[in-house]
Amino acid sequence: GDSVTQMEGPVTLSEEAFLTINCTYTATGYPSLFWYVQYPGEGLQLLLKATKADDKGSNKGFEATYRKETTSFHLEKGSVQVSDSAVYFCALQGAQKLVFGQGTRLTINP
Amino acid sequence: DVKVTQSSRYLVKRTGEKVFLECVQDMDHENMFWYRQDPGLGLRLIYFSYDVKMKEKGDIPEGYSVSREKKERFSLILESASTNQTSMYLCASSVSSGRGTGELFFGEGSRLTVL
Repeated sequence: GDSVTQMEGPVTLSEEAFLTINCTYTATGYPSLFWYVQYPGEGLQLLLKATKADDKGSNKGFEATYRKETTSFHLEKGSVQVSDSAVYFCALQGAQKLVFGQGTRLTINP
Repeated sequence: DVKVTQSSRYLVKRTGEKVFLECVQDMDHENMFWYRQDPGLGLRLIYFSYDVKMKEKGDIPEGYSVSREKKERFSLILESASTNQTSMYLCASSVSSGRGTGELFFGEGSRLTVL
């Protein structure tokens, strides 16, 4: 069945560091892919998405590219801020539901 | 602003109690979902509904039931709460599209502790 695997956390970085959170998926066909973010004490919200191969989703300085050949959708940001501290979830769109990865907790220190 | 509202942010219940978690959305979305979130396990789908009075089992429906009598409201019911149901419960909604569920809009979550 469909599945999503994220790099294990927690991840701790200093402010202005480069961020990569790895995400790979297993699915039939070419599903839409998503990154969701959960800030402390809040629900999840959509960060970015890509609907087909080679698409790049971007938002708030974050980017992710839909790589069909490596079945990956890695999240990147060039210079992180303390306010980026959150839990990040990669997800793919199944037939009737989203399938989520286990989440990666990110902490940014000033 | 779109809004998904969960009735209780924090609940403490005793083993064997019946628990109701309520969720209301104001976006006229067809689809509604209940997930539970546990550390290291991500989000796991309990039940979902794509129309009033319709429901489908997700990946972990055991010990839960749901009710959707009105389009905007989706309730999760724990008939007899157990300690292994201590978790964060997240409700979400989405509009139907030709390619599946599309973007999910989440509530803030209900943290349930069963003693």
